[in-house]
Amino acid sequence: KAGVTQTPRYLIKTRGQQVTLSCSPISGHRSVSWYQQTPGQGLQFLFEYFSETQRNKGNFPGRFSGRQFSNSRSEMNVSTLELGDSALYLCASSLVGDSGAGYTFGSGTRLTVV
Amino acid sequence: SQQGEEDPQALSIQEGENATMNCSYKTSINNLQWYRQNSGRGLVHLILIRSNEREKHSGRLRVTLDTSKKSSSLLITASRAADTASYFCATDELSFGAGTTVTVRA
Repeated sequence: KAGVTQTPRYLIKTRGQQVTLSCSPISGHRSVSWYQQTPGQGLQFLFEYFSETQRNKGNFPGRFSGRQFSNSRSEMNVSTLELGDSALYLCASSLVGDSGAGYTFGSGTRLTVV
Repeated sequence: SQQGEEDPQALSIQEGENATMNCSYKTSINNLQWYRQNSGRGLVHLILIRSNEREKHSGRLRVTLDTSKKSSSLLITASRAADTASYFCATDELSFGAGTTVTVRA
């Protein structure tokens, strides 16, 4: 079966622009989590969606937002991009989000802000 | 803040040797997971150990969990060049450590 699909794989944006990243979870998975990975800060949790509702949120500014659709696909939006937003953004899906079998990660979207 | 913290930050070993890395965490957990990440790519789930388990094996991987010390270890036996990656521990669903970067020299 298909894994977690993130699009696009690479993205270059200019400071001040906004960006939308997409994540399609494994079929049947209802929980989608987003993470930001940078060399300096490591892997940091952004938010988790379950059945179209944000269930958990990390410590990121309001410029970072997300949503989940009825088919469990999720989008993450970052507005007013800053240079420091350059990172690898990973999404992970699981059946119900209780980590009973671990999370399956996508390959990520590499965002570069110039 | 991150709950899991891996140690050491980096490890360099010869092919065939064993690699051991540790993870410490702060609060009670339901389970702990280990993931591998190859350079700049997504994470791959390696193994999950529940709080009532002390040791778990998967192929060349051995994970231990000591809830009294709030620590876990990941042992990779007979390492191969393909094991070169960063390894992360994660407690429950959401908290990752900074990772241990393992380099296996041929």
